[in-house]
Amino acid sequence: AQSVTQLDSQVPVFEEAPVELRCNYSSSVSVYLFWYVQYPNQGLQLLLKYLSGSTLVKGINGFEAEFNKSQTSFHLRKPSVHISDTAEYFCAVSRSNDYKLSFGAGTTVTVRA
Amino acid sequence: DAMVIQNPRYQVTQFGKPVTLSCSQTLNHNVMYWYQQKSSQAPKLLFHYYDKDFNNEADTPDNFQSRRPNTSFCFLDIRSPGLGDAAMYLCATSVVGLAKNIQYFGAGTRLSVL
Repeated sequence: AQSVTQLDSQVPVFEEAPVELRCNYSSSVSVYLFWYVQYPNQGLQLLLKYLSGSTLVKGINGFEAEFNKSQTSFHLRKPSVHISDTAEYFCAVSRSNDYKLSFGAGTTVTVRA
Repeated sequence: DAMVIQNPRYQVTQFGKPVTLSCSQTLNHNVMYWYQQKSSQAPKLLFHYYDKDFNNEADTPDNFQSRRPNTSFCFLDIRSPGLGDAAMYLCATSVVGLAKNIQYFGAGTRLSVL
């Protein structure tokens, strides 16, 4: 079984400042890694994914994440946030031999002017 | 264009009155999932269909049932809703094998139980 830990439950940040959301996972087999964003009263939207290859992946809305196998981490970053980035962010992991997702508890990002 | 469509977006039911939530997809994906998400929590998988095969999570209450009459549609039935079943219900789809477990979510149905 795998588990996902999002180290920050809430991240307040000022507009145009950088943000980093931390995610660590544990798994005995290779994994696929995802970040999803959820705006209020909406479903989950895929921000980016790591399946294989380059460890730095770029997603939508200017987000990027880096897969670090030795540290079992997949941290999400954005160099300059907007008010519209206020949302809940979920890190998710899927084992390569399974198709179900395990979600972290989520990180609430609040962007202030 | 929405690819995973959930109806209705908001549903109000009475305690103990059966309710059905629906999900349709235009992606022709072979797996459809139902999640329950309570406030400020991660989505919790209730069950999923892999083609016609139903897979229930071990801790999903018997009060929750599902039907998948064809590839495009999947329903969540709550036989006797309790106050604790008030939540956002999310439907998701994926195609096993080709897309490496990427799940696509609908906008959700928020269920209120009075």
